[in-house]
Amino acid sequence: GAVVSQHPSRVICKSGTSVKIECRSLDFQATTMFWYRQFPKQSLMLMATSNEGSKATYEQGVEKDKFLINHASLTLSTLTVTSAHPEDSSFYICSARDPSRDEKLFFGSGTQLSVL
Amino acid sequence: QKEVEQDPGPLSVPEGAIVSLNCTYSNSAFQYFMWYRQYSRKGPELLMYTYSSGNKEDGRFTAQVDKSSKYISLFIRDSQPSDSATYLCAMTTTGGFKTIFGAGTRLFVKA
Repeated sequence: GAVVSQHPSRVICKSGTSVKIECRSLDFQATTMFWYRQFPKQSLMLMATSNEGSKATYEQGVEKDKFLINHASLTLSTLTVTSAHPEDSSFYICSARDPSRDEKLFFGSGTQLSVL
Repeated sequence: QKEVEQDPGPLSVPEGAIVSLNCTYSNSAFQYFMWYRQYSRKGPELLMYTYSSGNKEDGRFTAQVDKSSKYISLFIRDSQPSDSATYLCAMTTTGGFKTIFGAGTRLFVKA
């Protein structure tokens, strides 16, 4: 069964609103979670690394103020897309390493964001 | 040059065929090698996980790692239409923090 839960699976919002996506590790503690963006027929693009209790590390070109990441507990990381615009429409996926399973990387089910 | 190269396909095969998916890489420090399967609009699912060189078999799936050639493969035997998906190779160094992904190969298995 799924070890990483991601919600919501789909969200449609108006331009200018903020959207929060949650990523939970279900049966393990994840000190590090990762957030990706994926465009149609393209591979995963790492956006940021979420570290529990500290600031996220963003990849080059990713706007920190646009994509707010909070990793408040060992089982939950959130990605907030602030003041969303149509160009932010994409498929967002989170992942987490499971220390009890040889640090294997498991993914959430993804969130399809559509900004009108 | 990308760290991990993977042919994006698409690859179309008839049902029952043996499928061979491959990736090459340039960083000799990679030690952990993974294959993920991703259905459309879903998160990637871990299929195979291999440490260092060698073969690993799980049901219809076989993963091979040849570190001397910096080449990894995933074989799917008796392919089924339900195997139609995008297959992503991925790799990490020992103690590595980031996992590097290939571009993904789109596979279509025709009934």
